[in-house]
Amino acid sequence: SAVISQKPSRDICQRGTSLTIQCQVDSQVTMMFWYRQQPGQSLTLIATANQGSEATYESGFVIDKFPISRPNLTFSTLTVSNMSPEDSSIYLCSGVVTEAFFGQGTRLTVV
Amino acid sequence: GQQLNQSPQSMFIQEGEDVSMNCTSSSIFNTWLWYKQDPGEGPVLLIALYKAGELTSNGRLTAQFGITRKDSFLNISASIPSDVGIYFCAGQGSGSRLTFGEGTQLTVNP
Repeated sequence: SAVISQKPSRDICQRGTSLTIQCQVDSQVTMMFWYRQQPGQSLTLIATANQGSEATYESGFVIDKFPISRPNLTFSTLTVSNMSPEDSSIYLCSGVVTEAFFGQGTRLTVV
Repeated sequence: GQQLNQSPQSMFIQEGEDVSMNCTSSSIFNTWLWYKQDPGEGPVLLIALYKAGELTSNGRLTAQFGITRKDSFLNISASIPSDVGIYFCAGQGSGSRLTFGEGTQLTVNP
């Protein structure tokens, strides 16, 4: 099965700054997604990363806060912009061939 | 957003015991998936179910796709310490988007 490399694995950031998370898949996938997981909770879908076009965001998530790029079939980035402590969470990217598989996640702490 | 109702929230069992957890939804899904997540890692797929009524096994794991397409269960037989972790069900809807259950935290005492 395909493997997703996600980086950074963790970061501590100052409020008001931005962090870009990268996701690289070792083979082409049909779909890529970004999820957020609050500590001790389930995964919530942020957006679908569309190749070569604007991402499709779920209710409660907006492009200005979470800009996403997907320039090709194997790579995507998520930026968490103008961070506040409420953005502290685990961010996970996912790729789909037939079923979804996940990167190891980025644990973000905003101080 | 929508979430699946997963139960139980947590389980504390002895090594060797069997475990059962389930998910229900108000919506129909075409695919049900079960994942396990270890600390500091992303979820790893355990079993995928594609047809209503389907019963699938993967080693000591057995899962079923409910006939109404609104529920699924996962059984783990003869649990071992490495079964510890959080188990998530997920329904796959349009565009391959996943809706996750709240998770079941499993603790296995040796």
